[in-house]
Amino acid sequence: AQSVTQLGSHVSVSEGALVLLRCNYSSSVPPYLFWYVQYPNQGLQLLLKYTSAATLVKGINGFEAEFKKSETSFHLTKPSAHMSDAAEYFCAVSDPEGKLQFGAGTQVVVTP
Amino acid sequence: DAGVTQSPTHLIKTRGQQVTLRCSPISGHKSVSWYQQVLGQGPQFIFQYYEKEERGRGNFPDRFSARQFPNYSSELNVNALLLGDSALYLCASTVDPFGEQFFGPGTRLTVL
Repeated sequence: AQSVTQLGSHVSVSEGALVLLRCNYSSSVPPYLFWYVQYPNQGLQLLLKYTSAATLVKGINGFEAEFKKSETSFHLTKPSAHMSDAAEYFCAVSDPEGKLQFGAGTQVVVTP
Repeated sequence: DAGVTQSPTHLIKTRGQQVTLRCSPISGHKSVSWYQQVLGQGPQFIFQYYEKEERGRGNFPDRFSARQFPNYSSELNVNALLLGDSALYLCASTVDPFGEQFFGPGTRLTVL
């Protein structure tokens, strides 16, 4: 069975500071991993995905994530936070049938 | 091209009632998945349909049912509503069950 755990339900960062959101996965097969962002009262938007090609994955809006098999991690980073990055972020793993299993989410607050 | 559309946007029902939620996938997408997102949690998989056939079902009671039509749109039905069914219901479409999932804005269901 596949699952993900997001460490930290809330993260507060200063504008211009590094954003680091942590995700650890559990999977019995090589995983497909995803990061999604959800703005208030909206659906989910895909930020980036790992599908066993490069271990460092670049996504939209300046975000990137690194797949580390030895640590079973897929942490999301952005070098410099913008006010527009305030949102909820979800890590997800896809099972062999293509169904997504999401983490509980991390709410990001950006302070001026 | 239009994205995934869902209707209605918001819905208020009382306990014991029945509700039908609708989803139109992106043109050319043949697979639709439904997710339930309770406030403060990550989305939970409910159903996946492909070519009008159910391909997967999450851990939800039989009160939840769905179907997919020849034009690939889909309906999610929930009978005998409980307070705990209050959630954001998300629909996602993909070209096939293993493709990138594109999410709609969701339907916010409130059960009183």
